[in-house]
Amino acid sequence: DGGITQSPKYLFRKEGQNVTLSCEQNLNHDAMYWYRQDPGQGLRLIYYSQIVNDFQKGDIAEGYSVSREKKESFPLTVTSAQKNPTAFYLCASSINAYEQYFGPGTRLTVT
Amino acid sequence: GQQVMQIPQYQHVQEGEDFTTYCNSSTTLSNIQWYKQRPGGHPVFLIQLVKSGEVKKQKRLTFQFGEAKKNSSLHITATQTTDVGTYFCAGFTGTASKLTFGTGTRLQVTL
Repeated sequence: DGGITQSPKYLFRKEGQNVTLSCEQNLNHDAMYWYRQDPGQGLRLIYYSQIVNDFQKGDIAEGYSVSREKKESFPLTVTSAQKNPTAFYLCASSINAYEQYFGPGTRLTVT
Repeated sequence: GQQVMQIPQYQHVQEGEDFTTYCNSSTTLSNIQWYKQRPGGHPVFLIQLVKSGEVKKQKRLTFQFGEAKKNSSLHITATQTTDVGTYFCAGFTGTASKLTFGTGTRLQVTL
């Protein structure tokens, strides 16, 4: 059963803690993306990776970090430097510039 | 940087009425994609338009790409309650390998 998985679905953390969100795909896609969505807002690109061991900053990369050691995996770390980390985080993958397949998302709440 | 705006932000229609959302980019796009996000869900790809002036139909949905490749529209004929959700356009510029998502239009349909 192919697709993108994100875990966990809901995540709660205390302010000042780093937290890592998981994203795994078995679609054999080269490109992977992380987006942030705030209530009633559109999607804003955090980081993206077109190939293993390479990634680029998106529009709102400050306070976030990623790694791409395997084609299937693109974890996102929300660091304590991110000022407003509470949001809905969506991971996606694609072949070249065509349609993006999204995971179910992780709702992060930081208090 | 590239900006993609959508209007309206929100529309509430009675079932059976038509609905249109408009997407406008500050820069020329190489292609445009449309996604639908159901409440509480993740975006799902609907279609991609590539050619200037292109029109594509999917049952009750009609998608159009402007002649200048800077705007697009999605029209739904005779809305149904299953059409409820937020519709996003997303565009690639010629050099960028990342999508820029529009601000989204939330559609509410009542009986």
